[in-house]
Amino acid sequence: GQNIDQPTEMTATEGAIVQINCTYQTSGFNGLFWYQQHAGEAPTFLSYNVLDGLEEKGRFSSFLSRSKGYSYLLLKELQMKDSASYLCAVRDSNYQLIWGAGTKLIIKP
Amino acid sequence: IAGITQAPTSQILAAGRRMTLRCTQDMRHNAMYWYRQDLGLGLRLIHYSNTAGTTGKGEVPDGYSVSRANTDDFPLTLASAVPSQTSVYFCASSLEGRAYEQYFGPGTRLTVT
Repeated sequence: GQNIDQPTEMTATEGAIVQINCTYQTSGFNGLFWYQQHAGEAPTFLSYNVLDGLEEKGRFSSFLSRSKGYSYLLLKELQMKDSASYLCAVRDSNYQLIWGAGTKLIIKP
Repeated sequence: IAGITQAPTSQILAAGRRMTLRCTQDMRHNAMYWYRQDLGLGLRLIHYSNTAGTTGKGEVPDGYSVSRANTDDFPLTLASAVPSQTSVYFCASSLEGRAYEQYFGPGTRLTVT
């Protein structure tokens, strides 16, 4: 079966750095995606990795290792507004997105 | 309108009733999707449409139907609602070739009693 695992919840301090991990087992791989979802709102696109390595976009970076079936999202200089759920998704061989359950990130002052 | 809209925002529905959730986008995106999101589970794809006039089944299509008569609209119908269909439903759209960057509507919170 297809499976995407990420921690259920993480806590971090304002101004710090946090890394959210995602491991996947899917039938085929055509890219990995991170979305942010604030409570009660719709998900919004953050990043896309299809090749191994690090993609940086401002305070957010996403890393992919296809051989290990592993990705992480790195958030730097945390702000209170970063409190949200972070969803990892993989596009499988049918080009459909398979979603993880999300990691709820709690930022404390 | 700008972006993607859904209606209603929330609904309480008696089991056995028929219900259509509406989704409209004005971004001229080719592809549209319906997901359900349940606590502790990831988003699960119900149905999708790669272009007007075509639809496909996702991971959890049973009990749901869709149509795509034009580019802008993608309604989701529950023919006879059951309590297990209580969920938050999200409609999304994307440009052809950029299916990884999906734009989501605000969601419909549906409770089936």
